[in-house]
Amino acid sequence: DQQVKQNSPSLSVQEGRISILNCDYTNSMFDYFLWYKKYPAEGPTFLISISSIKDKNEDGRFTVFLNKSAKHLSLHIVPSQPGDSAVYFCAASANFGNEKLTFGTGTRLTIIP
Amino acid sequence: NAGVTQTPKFRILKIGQSMTLQCTQDMNHNYMYWYRQDPGMGLKLIYYSVGAGITDKGEVPNGYNVSRSTTEDFPLRLELAAPSQTSVYFCASSSRATTPNYGYTFGSGTRLTVV
Repeated sequence: DQQVKQNSPSLSVQEGRISILNCDYTNSMFDYFLWYKKYPAEGPTFLISISSIKDKNEDGRFTVFLNKSAKHLSLHIVPSQPGDSAVYFCAASANFGNEKLTFGTGTRLTIIP
Repeated sequence: NAGVTQTPKFRILKIGQSMTLQCTQDMNHNYMYWYRQDPGMGLKLIYYSVGAGITDKGEVPNGYNVSRSTTEDFPLRLELAAPSQTSVYFCASSSRATTPNYGYTFGSGTRLTVV
């Protein structure tokens, strides 16, 4: 049972445009969400997080939006840069991050120069 | 500050062999985790530990064993390797202070092939 779903295995975006990565979850106990970025031959690295008490969190070019009623979150990257090409994992946790993380299957983002 | 260190980076095993994947962290994190990543399947939790001497099963523990004798080290043991264990293995760590803000810190992974 995949509790965190990333339905797009891959996404290609022109450099300078907006990249939107989507994530859906089924467990209503999840109240803390993170995005990780992974380059080949490296471990995932933390990108941005959001708590369920918010619906938006920004960090530079990265913004995460949370729609609790739809159990959906999205990561916006604007403007997209070639260095953003990576696999992005969505992760979720209960108890405001104090429970184990459940990961999605990942979306491979390719930025086209 | 090395973070989470995994060794080896690559390994080829024959069916039925055994090996230990090493993981050590220098951040004094009490929580440690082992994940495997299969193509298109995301990260699946194998085992985790909330402190020295305490371990518990994750989603996919069969064929693996762990121990946690110190805060720093969390080795993963594969007994009787099978082709289904061909995967990339990631070790991670966290603490109650860091998890809510930054999630886990991951190692760079061990790519294991069983032939």
